[in-house]
Amino acid sequence: EAQVTQNPRYLITVTGKKLTVTCSQNMNHEYMSWYRQDPGLGLRQIYYSMNVEVTDKGDVPEGYKVSRKEKRNFPLILESPSPNQTSLYFCASSPSGPYSPLHFGNGTRLTVT
Amino acid sequence: AQSVTQLDSHVSVSEGTPVLLRCNYSSSYSPSLFWYVQHPNKGLQLLLKYTSAATLVKGINGFEAEFKKSETSFHLTKPSAHMSDAAEYFCVVSPRDSNYQLIWGAGTKLIIKP
Repeated sequence: EAQVTQNPRYLITVTGKKLTVTCSQNMNHEYMSWYRQDPGLGLRQIYYSMNVEVTDKGDVPEGYKVSRKEKRNFPLILESPSPNQTSLYFCASSPSGPYSPLHFGNGTRLTVT
Repeated sequence: AQSVTQLDSHVSVSEGTPVLLRCNYSSSYSPSLFWYVQHPNKGLQLLLKYTSAATLVKGINGFEAEFKKSETSFHLTKPSAHMSDAAEYFCVVSPRDSNYQLIWGAGTKLIIKP
């Protein structure tokens, strides 16, 4: 089944403790992206990647890192999480960029205390 | 600056009546426009997209949207609401002058009354 898989679905952590949210797609998509969703703000793009080893900042990249060492994986890294990073995070992929339909994962709800 | 405004944070309709979700955009160039839907506790799914072909765009589940350049609008409609349409809907703009960027509206929650 074609899908984008994020793990974990729920994560509670403390300020400053490094964490990684994994994202994997099995559709051989070129484009992958991370978003955060906050009430009343819609989705805001954190980082995106057009291909292996090619990443770029979105609208809200501060406090986040990504890597794209393989085509299928695009992990989101929070080196030192803070409470303002408490949010719902989505990974998405598409064949050739945001103009083609984005396939979303089911989300990761992160709470930083 | 590019922006997207969804004019209603919540819309409530009775089952079987028409649905109208409003979206206005601001863009320097002729943009690509999308509507995405998010069902509770789920990821998002593309409903439809406009990319400078026909101005009336048909999507999945009976939804359609009309691109009106003079009004800078891209409203989403459906003739008859179904209980399964209850979800949050996002209008999204991709300005042609940006690379790989999407600008998301704040979302409209659609409530269906039985």
